[in-house]
Amino acid sequence: DAGVIQSPRHEVTEMGQEVTLRCKPISGHNSLFWYRQTMMRGLELLIYFNNNVPIDDSGMPEDRFSAKMPNASFSTLKIQPSEPRDSAVYFCASSLERDRGPLSYEQYFGPGTRLTVT
Amino acid sequence: AQSVTQLDSQVPVFEEAPVELRCNYSSSVSVYLFWYVQYPNQGLQLLLKYLSGSTLVKGINGFEAEFNKSQTSFHLRKPSVHISDTAEYFCAVSDRNYGGATNKLIFGTGTLLAVQP
Repeated sequence: DAGVIQSPRHEVTEMGQEVTLRCKPISGHNSLFWYRQTMMRGLELLIYFNNNVPIDDSGMPEDRFSAKMPNASFSTLKIQPSEPRDSAVYFCASSLERDRGPLSYEQYFGPGTRLTVT
Repeated sequence: AQSVTQLDSQVPVFEEAPVELRCNYSSSVSVYLFWYVQYPNQGLQLLLKYLSGSTLVKGINGFEAEFNKSQTSFHLRKPSVHISDTAEYFCAVSDRNYGGATNKLIFGTGTLLAVQP
């Protein structure tokens, strides 16, 4: 099992540029989560998909952030335009939701994308 | 709504000493509880979980945790730590909302376990 795959692992960009982060969940998983981790705010849930449909995007900071999940094996998180305060590690996680049973809550994390906006 | 509190942001401990990392939660419904570990520059990895049954659960790397419903706690313990246990540890609780469609986790703020030689 390849686990959750994220790309790129590191991204350095200038303020104002568009940034796209990519995630491939574990095959067969139907829930996907995007998190952001910073020293100041810790681990924050940005958005959560179930069966490719956004369920909860209340954590998305502002309109500059958008996320899509066109199919069960791929998701993107886009920041346009990027700002220095967006610098963080962005994690993608996936799980298999089954009738809200206990295993539905067991999330598997990718290695993260470290974003630096200068 | 559920919440998780990890009061200790950092726990320094000497190698081979025992350690306990504290986690308290608040919830009006039954919960599932998890501990995740994050090694430097890596993603979060599941350490152990409480779903039901025995309140003492064992995880990887010699860690264990005890679910205490009356105290709404799920403290993580290890009898003897190693330098390699130095990492950030996150407690998480299921965001169970019977009326809604969610299988989210609510994470604590994390505790840095710093093992010293």
